[in-house]
Amino acid sequence: GDSVTQMEGPVTLSEEAFLTINCTYTATGYPSLFWYVQYPGEGLQLLLKATKADDKGSNKGFEATYRKETTSFHLEKGSVQVSDSAVYFCASASGGSYIPTFGRGTSLIVHP
Amino acid sequence: NAGVTQTPKFQVLKTGQSMTLQCAQDMNHNSMYWYRQDPGMGLRLIYYSASEGTTDKGEVPNGYNVSRLNKREFSLRLESAAPSQTSVYFCASSEARGLAGTDTQYFGPGTRLTVL
Repeated sequence: GDSVTQMEGPVTLSEEAFLTINCTYTATGYPSLFWYVQYPGEGLQLLLKATKADDKGSNKGFEATYRKETTSFHLEKGSVQVSDSAVYFCASASGGSYIPTFGRGTSLIVHP
Repeated sequence: NAGVTQTPKFQVLKTGQSMTLQCAQDMNHNSMYWYRQDPGMGLRLIYYSASEGTTDKGEVPNGYNVSRLNKREFSLRLESAAPSQTSVYFCASSEARGLAGTDTQYFGPGTRLTVL
C-alpha cells in the first residue's frame, strides 16, 4: 500500500523565515497528494492538494509541487507568521481508494 | 452549515466502562471515517464507512465497534475501555463520488478521551 514519510519536527523558525517541510511518498501508480494543517485544539483541514504530476497546489502563501521523478511533495512558504504555528500532515491517496495515507505530521513553531 | 460535528469534546472513563462517540455531517457526504491520533503516531484509521449501510475495519479496529446510523451519522463505541485507548479521536467525511484518490477529507474538532 501507500506510505508517506515526512520530516520529523518540531521545526522552529523566527517570523518571516522561509519554510520547507519535506514529504516523500511511495505508491503504485500516480496518487493524489495533499497537505493538511491542524491548528492547536482543532481537527485537520485541507491546506492544498495536487492530483497529477507537475501540478502545484497553493493556498494562504503555501505551495507544494508534485514531483513524480523524486516522489516528493515538499511544502514551502516564503515568509512564515506566528499564526502558521501548527502541525502539518502530508497525505497520499491512490486511484481506486478514497482513503488517504497520512504521514506522522510535522510540528511547526514560529517565534515572533 | 456546521460541517462535521463530534460529541463529546472531552471524556474521562475508568477502565472497563463503555461509551459511544457521536459524529454527524451535514454535507451529504457518502463516506465517513474514525481516526485516532497519538503522539508520534500520526493519524491511524480505526473504521470507515464507504457508504450508508456499510462499514469496514481500518488499521487499528480492535476494541472498537461502529454504526453507520444513516447517511449523516457514524458512531464509534468502546465496549470496555482500556488505558491504551486514551487518545484524541477524529471523525471525518468525504464526498466519495468523483475520481477516487482526489477526495478531500473534512474533519470534526475531535474528542479527547482519557481512560484511567
